[in-house]
Amino acid sequence: NAGVTQTPKFQVLKTGQSMTLQCAQDMNHEYMSWYRQDPGMGLRLIHYSVGAGITDQGEVPNGYNVSRSTTEDFPLRLLSAAPSQTSVYFCASSYTSGMSSYNEQFFGPGTRLTVL
Amino acid sequence: RKEVEQDPGPFNVPEGATVAFNCTYSNSASQSFFWYRQDCRKEPKLLMSVYSSGNEDGRFTAQLNRASQYISLLIRDSKLSDSATYLCVVNRGNDMRFGAGTRLTVKP
Repeated sequence: NAGVTQTPKFQVLKTGQSMTLQCAQDMNHEYMSWYRQDPGMGLRLIHYSVGAGITDQGEVPNGYNVSRSTTEDFPLRLLSAAPSQTSVYFCASSYTSGMSSYNEQFFGPGTRLTVL
Repeated sequence: RKEVEQDPGPFNVPEGATVAFNCTYSNSASQSFFWYRQDCRKEPKLLMSVYSSGNEDGRFTAQLNRASQYISLLIRDSKLSDSATYLCVVNRGNDMRFGAGTRLTVKP
């Protein structure tokens, strides 16, 4: 199993450009999510999905879109990049979205994005 | 105020020391609790879940106090390999809230 994979690892954008961060998992997990991590802020949830065709907003969704057409893939789209979106982005997946103490989230290696 | 607050650290301790991290959460509807570990420039990985009765995994002990909305992590006999950032995580349904993390450096 590859686990959770993310591409690209690094990306530099200019203000106003759009791009898609890719995320895939091969563990047949229903729940997938995107976080951004900024210094001193911890990880903040952007969007999440509880299954194919179902997505919802997290804590900081503005400026980002997601879709979930398959169980495996959960791409994150930046519509018009801004310097405030400079961050490290992590994709994660888990078997379920439930509140069980056994519900471990598995994270991808991250994408380091700089917006100039 | 952040929903999950942690000691800011950093904690610099010698090998063999015992170190404790604290975490408080503000949403009383939170149902499950975790400690994750994050190495420098790497992704977070689950260290342990935190159960109501407290639980232990080797040198690591986690405690939960629901009345005070407080979670703790105790590391005994610290190893160099324990150097990392420790993230307190609270699950309140479909989303998880992370603390900003506490950085630990264990020195020889």
